[in-house]
Amino acid sequence: DGGITQSPKYLFRKEGQNVTLSCEQNLNHDAMYWYRQDPGQGLRLIYYSQIVNDFQKGDIAEGYSVSREKKESFPLTVTSAQKNPTAFYLCASSMRGLAGVKNIQYFGAGTRLSVL
Amino acid sequence: GENVEQHPSTLSVQEGDSAVIKCTYSDSASNYFPWYKQELGKRPQLIIDIRSNVGEKKDQRIAVTLNKTAKHFSLHITETQPEDSAVYFCAPLKSGAGGTSYGKLTFGQGTILTVHP
Repeated sequence: DGGITQSPKYLFRKEGQNVTLSCEQNLNHDAMYWYRQDPGQGLRLIYYSQIVNDFQKGDIAEGYSVSREKKESFPLTVTSAQKNPTAFYLCASSMRGLAGVKNIQYFGAGTRLSVL
Repeated sequence: GENVEQHPSTLSVQEGDSAVIKCTYSDSASNYFPWYKQELGKRPQLIIDIRSNVGEKKDQRIAVTLNKTAKHFSLHITETQPEDSAVYFCAPLKSGAGGTSYGKLTFGQGTILTVHP
């Protein structure tokens, strides 16, 4: 469904715990993104990666970490330093933002993270 | 970075009416202007987009218009139907080779459109 898979669909975090959200794509896209969605605040960029083994912080990177060891995978870790992690997390992928190339983002179905 | 604002934040129309959502951006180097639709509980999906060298683009009942001078672009939906009810996001982009700022979308805060039967 759309070529980009997020798991799990629902996740619960205990205080002081790190949790990892999975994102896998089979679209052969170079670029991958993580967004956080809170009610009334749209989509805010956490981290993005335009190529394997490279990634950049987005607007709200504090308390999160990522890795990009494989082209098809971009896992997001929500660390204990993130004090308000309850949100809907969306992963997306696209072709690289090169000249003349549309940056159409394809989204996963999302992971809803809650704090116990 | 890019500042993006959408207006209105909520829009309620009767079926068959038209709906217009406006997106204002700050980065004059933005050159690609997409609109995404997110139905309740689903993922956002691109519905229409436009490049900076075009002033208007239509696809059946939806259209996007661009005013680069004023730095805003708008989504127009005609003959609205209940299935148009969703949250709509604009996401202007600076597309091109030239550094890590390229390819990074900044989404507006979203407009909740409700179409009443």
